[in-house]
Amino acid sequence: DAGVIQSPRHEVTEMGQEVTLRCKLISGHNSLFWYRQTMMRGLELLIYFNNNVPIDDSGMPEDRFSAKMPNASFSTLKIQPSEPRDSAVYFCASTLSLGDTEAFFGQGTRLTVV
Amino acid sequence: AQSVTQPDIHITVSEGASLELRCNYSYGATPYLFWYVQSPGQGLQLLLKYFSGDTLVQGIKGFEAEFKRSQSSFNLRKPSVHWSDAAEYFCAVDALQGAQKLVFGQGTRLTINP
Repeated sequence: DAGVIQSPRHEVTEMGQEVTLRCKLISGHNSLFWYRQTMMRGLELLIYFNNNVPIDDSGMPEDRFSAKMPNASFSTLKIQPSEPRDSAVYFCASTLSLGDTEAFFGQGTRLTVV
Repeated sequence: AQSVTQPDIHITVSEGASLELRCNYSYGATPYLFWYVQSPGQGLQLLLKYFSGDTLVQGIKGFEAEFKRSQSSFNLRKPSVHWSDAAEYFCAVDALQGAQKLVFGQGTRLTINP
C-alpha cells in the first residue's frame, strides 16, 4: 500500500478563494483524522471520522472549514473563503479502527493564503 | 484539559552522543502516550507507544522511552544518535485512550553535529 496520500502537496491561493485539500486513506482503514500544523499552535486535531461519520469536529476553527468523507477511502477538507491565517500544513492520518493504536500520517499539504 | 509539554524547543547533539528528549503531560488518568518523528517535508511516523505494563518501551530506530507516573513524564532516549536522526520529535497523549484523539506537544527539533 502506498500509505496515506494527500494532494496537493503545496497550494498557494489568494485570500477569499475556496481551497480543497484531499486525502486518500490506507486501504482497509476506517478512521480518518485531519490535523493542522502551525508554528504558533503546533499540531491541532481539527476533525475525525469513523466509518465515514464525523465523530468530533470540535477542533474545526470556524464555519469556513468543512470536511467530508464521501466514501470509505477518501476525504476532503474545504476552506471557503480562505484567509491568510489559514496558512499552515494540513495533515490527514488514518487508523485501522477507532481503537487502533497507530495513526499513519500523510505527507501533508502546505497551504499558503496570500 | 489534557496537555503535553516538551520543554526543549531545539536540541543539538554530536553524532554518537546519547540523547534524551523530555516530555511531560497533564492528564487525569494514565494516558496512552506516543512519540512521533517528523523528517523535513514529511508526515509523522510513530516511534513508540505506551499504554500499560512495562514502563520502559522500545521503539523503532533504536529509540526507547520511559513512563514515570510520579513525574508525569515520558522521556525519549537513544544511546547513540546518527546523523539521520535529525528531525522534529513530537510527544503526544491520546486524550480518549484508544480513539487516537492525539494531543501533541510543541515538538523538539533535533540537530546532529558531525
